[in-house]
Amino acid sequence: AQTVTQSQPEMSVQEAETVTLSCTYDTSESDYYLFWYKQPPSRQMILVIRQEAYKQQNATENRFSVNFQKAAKSFSLKISDSQLGDAAMYFCAYRSLDMEYGNKLVFGAGTILRVKS
Amino acid sequence: EAQVTQNPRYLITVTGKKLTVTCSQNMNHEYMSWYRQDPGLGLRQIYYSMNVEVTDKGDVPEGYKVSRKEKRNFPLILESPSPNQTSLYFCASNPRDRAGQETQYFGPGTRLLVL
Repeated sequence: AQTVTQSQPEMSVQEAETVTLSCTYDTSESDYYLFWYKQPPSRQMILVIRQEAYKQQNATENRFSVNFQKAAKSFSLKISDSQLGDAAMYFCAYRSLDMEYGNKLVFGAGTILRVKS
Repeated sequence: EAQVTQNPRYLITVTGKKLTVTCSQNMNHEYMSWYRQDPGLGLRQIYYSMNVEVTDKGDVPEGYKVSRKEKRNFPLILESPSPNQTSLYFCASNPRDRAGQETQYFGPGTRLLVL
């Protein structure tokens, strides 16, 4: 079974600075998807960025980028020019492409990001 | 507008009183899932459905039931709720094709308190 670990329960960043959230995962599969979700106080789940494992190029979405290290099974999220609106819980998630797992997302425990003005 | 809806959004109930949380999607998605979110544990899959009349257990199915009689609806049933089912619940859907692996549509969440 796959597992996802987020070792940072909480992180803080100064507005306009850069912060990196860590995520590691365990799998025996060679192709899969990885995601970062943002959950603001409204509790809504918002997709921030996704990466397919066979793509070597790291995904980027505006101020958000990932450092995907497949061999190390690491998938960190970098937020540049942090804004007050970035304050939220961030979840790292894994999805197998094997239908045996029923299209399940496996989530980490989450990292609370606080942004200081 | 493409969306997943859940009702109710908030619910306080007592131990043993049967309840149903409804979930509906308007995107004709084959796959639907229920997750529960607990502090320090992230989200965990309760049940999933790959199509009408096809359902299976996720990682934490105990105490829950589901049904998929129509493609758009996937209700979560707690026959006899207990306090350890106090949680935040999410319904989610996505299409079956490869592109559907890239995304997941989440409902707004249902916060349940069982006294």
